[in-house]
Amino acid sequence: DTGVSQDPRHKITKRGQNVTFRCDPISEHNRLYWYRQTLGQGPEFLTYFQNEAQLEKSRLLSDRFSAERPKGSFSTLEIQRTEQGDSAMYLCASSFLGQGNSPLHFGNGTRLTVT
Amino acid sequence: DQQVKQNSPSLSVQEGRISILNCDYTNSMFDYFLWYKKYPAEGPTFLISISSIKDKNEDGRFTVFLNKSAKHLSLHIVPSQPGDSAVYFCAGIYYGGSQGNLIFGKGTKLSVKP
Repeated sequence: DTGVSQDPRHKITKRGQNVTFRCDPISEHNRLYWYRQTLGQGPEFLTYFQNEAQLEKSRLLSDRFSAERPKGSFSTLEIQRTEQGDSAMYLCASSFLGQGNSPLHFGNGTRLTVT
Repeated sequence: DQQVKQNSPSLSVQEGRISILNCDYTNSMFDYFLWYKKYPAEGPTFLISISSIKDKNEDGRFTVFLNKSAKHLSLHIVPSQPGDSAVYFCAGIYYGGSQGNLIFGKGTKLSVKP
């Protein structure tokens, strides 16, 4: 399966701890996105990369959140000093933007629970 | 400001009948509209899209209609099957400038009863 892969699938952490999630996109895709989804809501945009450049960040992405895509391949999303309000499903997606634009392909997400 | 709205949280349909899921939007700059299907514990899966310059796109049992003047789109599933039971998200995307992210509605949960 060469789809978008996210690790871990589930993460339970105590308030105040730091967590890091990893996303491996589809290999030929040049764009990588992070979204967050809470119960009863659609996915909400957090940030995206084109290759290794982070092009846009949502106002939802507070200073405690940082995302990287150092070599333009996999990406990490780190949350520092987690809060209970950070509990959500964190979704990664990738796409190809070029002469032919592909739709975003999502991974199965990392479910974060902050206790 | 909710740019994409799905006003029906749920829809129940009998197997074999038509399912119609509706979506309204406010952002006239969207280049494409997409529908995603989501099963529990999985990420959204792309279903079908439509360019903002078209009014209809069809793929098998799925057809999306776009009414730009009304800023409304709908997804028709004919015939509906029990395996179609999932949450359906409508989304718009704008490729201009530095943007390029999908804006999602809140979703409609479709239940197809045998």
